[in-house]
Amino acid sequence: GQNIDQPTEMTATEGAIVQINCTYQTSGFNGLFWYQQHAGEAPTFLSYNVLDGLEEKGRFSSFLSRSKGYSYLLLKELQMKDSASYLCAVRDGDYQLIWGAGTKLIIKP
Amino acid sequence: TAGITQAPTSQILAAGRSMTLRCTQDMRHNAMYWYRQDLGLGLRLIHYSNTAGTTGKGEVPDGYSVSRANTDDFPLTLASAVPSQTSVYFCASSENIDTDTQYFGPGTRLTVL
Repeated sequence: GQNIDQPTEMTATEGAIVQINCTYQTSGFNGLFWYQQHAGEAPTFLSYNVLDGLEEKGRFSSFLSRSKGYSYLLLKELQMKDSASYLCAVRDGDYQLIWGAGTKLIIKP
Repeated sequence: TAGITQAPTSQILAAGRSMTLRCTQDMRHNAMYWYRQDLGLGLRLIHYSNTAGTTGKGEVPDGYSVSRANTDDFPLTLASAVPSQTSVYFCASSENIDTDTQYFGPGTRLTVL
């Protein structure tokens, strides 16, 4: 079966750095996505990786290793507004998105 | 730009009743999707549409039907609601079925009693 694993919840301090991991097992691979979802709101796109390596976008970076079935989202200089759930999703061989359950990130002052 | 709109925002529905959740996008995207989101689970695809006039089944299609009469609208119908269909429903769209980014509507919170 297809599976996306990410931690259920993480806590970090304002101004610090946090890394949210995602491991996947899917039938085929056509890219990995990270979305941010604030409570009661819709998911919004953060990043997309299809090749191995690091993609940097401001305070957020995303890394992919296809051979290890592994990705992480790195958030730097954490702000209170970064408190949200972070969703990892993989586009499989049939071009359908398989979603992880999300990681709830709690930022403390 | 409105993006994607969904209606209603929330609804309480008696079991056995029918209901249509509305979704409209103004980005002229070819592909549209319906997901449900339940606590502790990832988003699960109900139905999708590659382009106007075509639809396909996702991971959890039972109890739901969709139509795509034009590019902008993608309604989701529950013919006879059951309590297990209590969920938050998100509509999404992307330029094409295999394009990078899916854009989501604000969601409809449905409670079936």
